[in-house]
Amino acid sequence: AQKVTQAQTEISVVEKEDVTLDCVYETRDTTYYLFWYKQPPSGELVFLIRRNSFDEQNEISGRYSWNFQKSTSSFNFTITASQVVDSAVYFCALSEWGLPALANEKLTFGTGTRLTIIP
Amino acid sequence: NAGVTQTPKFRVLKTGQSMTLLCAQDMNHEYMYWYRQDPGMGLRLIHYSVGEGTTAKGEVPDGYNVSRLKKQNFLLGLESAAPSQTSVYFCASSYSIGQDPLGYTFGSGTRLTVV
Repeated sequence: AQKVTQAQTEISVVEKEDVTLDCVYETRDTTYYLFWYKQPPSGELVFLIRRNSFDEQNEISGRYSWNFQKSTSSFNFTITASQVVDSAVYFCALSEWGLPALANEKLTFGTGTRLTIIP
Repeated sequence: NAGVTQTPKFRVLKTGQSMTLLCAQDMNHEYMYWYRQDPGMGLRLIHYSVGEGTTAKGEVPDGYNVSRLKKQNFLLGLESAAPSQTSVYFCASSYSIGQDPLGYTFGSGTRLTVV
């Protein structure tokens, strides 16, 4: 069965510091998708990134970057020069791509990391 | 462009009461899901549907029922609410290109308290 582990329950950093959120996953499939979502205090889930298992290139989007390493089954998320608006709970999630079709679409979430940026 | 709409946003139930949570999506997505979010547990899948008229159990289905009579709607029912069902409920929908899962869209959540 698929599993996502976010070992960091809570992290606090001072504004402008860099911070990395860890995500380790388990899956039997060779093809799968990894996601990061942000949940700000308002409660909605905001999609950040989707990565498939064939694409191990790191991705950068502004102050956000993601490091995908299949060898260690990790998909870590780094925020550079953190800002107070980055304060939120961040979830890593996994979707397997395999038969039967009913199994493809389910997202399995980690337990989340609560990030607090101190002004 | 509404996306995924959940109603109600808040509800307080007494133990033993029943209620239905409604999820509606206007994106013509085939797949719909109900998750619950509890402190320290992340989001856990309750039930899901891969198309109109089909439903399947997720990780924590006990105490809930679902129906997908129309493609755009996915209803979550609690027949006899229990305090353990106090949670925030999220509905989501998604689509695929082939078997490539894309476009998960979440509703804004329903905060349910059972007293």
